[in-house]
Amino acid sequence: GAVVSQHPSRVICKSGTSVKIECRSLDFQATTMFWYRQFPKKSLMLMATSNEGSKATYEQGVEKDKFLINHASLTLSTLTVTSAHPEDSSFYICSARRDRGYGGYTFGSGTRLTVV
Amino acid sequence: GENVEQHPSTLSVQEGDSAVIKCTYSDSASNYFPWYKQELGKGPQLIIDIRSNVGEKKDQRIAVTLNKTAKHFSLHITETQPEDSAVYFCAASINSNSGYALNFGKGTSLLVTP
Repeated sequence: GAVVSQHPSRVICKSGTSVKIECRSLDFQATTMFWYRQFPKKSLMLMATSNEGSKATYEQGVEKDKFLINHASLTLSTLTVTSAHPEDSSFYICSARRDRGYGGYTFGSGTRLTVV
Repeated sequence: GENVEQHPSTLSVQEGDSAVIKCTYSDSASNYFPWYKQELGKGPQLIIDIRSNVGEKKDQRIAVTLNKTAKHFSLHITETQPEDSAVYFCAASINSNSGYALNFGKGTSLLVTP
């Protein structure tokens, strides 16, 4: 089955530093990857959609200069939280989609970011 | 854009009973409706999905029904077990090669008590 690997699973960083989260599709090529943010006991909020080789499309209200997304290959997308602040602390989840047929959305295991 | 409403937000059932979670969607162009189970600190896991050209789909203890006219779909879990306790999310999407994202409901926290 389709597997998406997301790393790190947990990260603690100091305010003002940057953190990079990786999302890899291990056994399929993902033309499209999605990044979500989830607050405690809340739903998944779409941050951006990225297509391989092109700029990510950000949802309204998401700062593209703060949340840098790179989708350089068909199996890897990265989310970099720049100049992190405590309010950026959250659970970040990536999803990769095969572009054929119905469905095909596979989620990573998530990254718990804590900014201190 | 698509708006997915999900009810109830919490559900408590006794082991062996059935659980039903309901969702409605707003965009008639949506044609793919998955259900995900999320355990604490983990990513969502697909448990069942349905396309708009199908009214019902079943996989062992789990079934999903879809009413396109009314724009609502439901998850049915029979013979619930304590390990079914988790947060369940419904979602809707326009399934195409353009890479539309899933729009999620707010989630239902299911607790199955022994």
